[in-house]
Amino acid sequence: DGGITQSPKYLFRKEGQNVTLSCEQNLNHDAMYWYRQDPGQGLRLIYYSQIVNDFQKGDIAEGYSVSREKKESFPLTVTSAQKNPTAFYLCASSSYGTTDTQYFGPGTRLTVL
Amino acid sequence: QKEVEQNSGPLSVPEGAIASLNCTYSDRGSQSFFWYRQYSGKSPELIMSIYSNGDKEDGRFTAQLNKASQYVSLLIRDSQPSDSATYLCAVNIANDMRFGAGTRLTVKP
Repeated sequence: DGGITQSPKYLFRKEGQNVTLSCEQNLNHDAMYWYRQDPGQGLRLIYYSQIVNDFQKGDIAEGYSVSREKKESFPLTVTSAQKNPTAFYLCASSSYGTTDTQYFGPGTRLTVL
Repeated sequence: QKEVEQNSGPLSVPEGAIASLNCTYSDRGSQSFFWYRQYSGKSPELIMSIYSNGDKEDGRFTAQLNKASQYVSLLIRDSQPSDSATYLCAVNIANDMRFGAGTRLTVKP
């Protein structure tokens, strides 16, 4: 089955820790995205990548980092510099650029202890 | 003005009724419009995309686009309790995809 997978489903972080969220897709999509969703709010773009080895900051990139070493994978690291990381994190992909239909993975819920 | 605005709701309709969800956007140049459904605790799933003025129907769902008024809507006919979810409007604005905060719909049996 083609799709987007994210792991883990739930993640708990202690203060001062970096954590990495995984996102993999087998749709052969060029573009991948990371969003953050807080309760009752819309999706806010953290980072996106339209091609391997290239990525751009979104609206709320501070405290986050990404890499795109393979077309299929776009991991997100939440660093200790992110002061309020508790949120639902969604990975998405699209066939080509940022104007194309985006499809979402199941999400990772991150909680800071 | 927010780039994509939706009434947060909640919108409550009885089972079998038509649910009407509305979305306005700020950029007159926008060309691509999407509706997603998001169940509580789950990720958004695509319902429909629309690119041209007018109506687009898919089963019980109809998307309506009016670019002159910068308005896109989603109608759900014969609403079912399983349609209870948050509906997100997404609009392509200046080569970025912008999402509204969503409208929470409750369909009462």
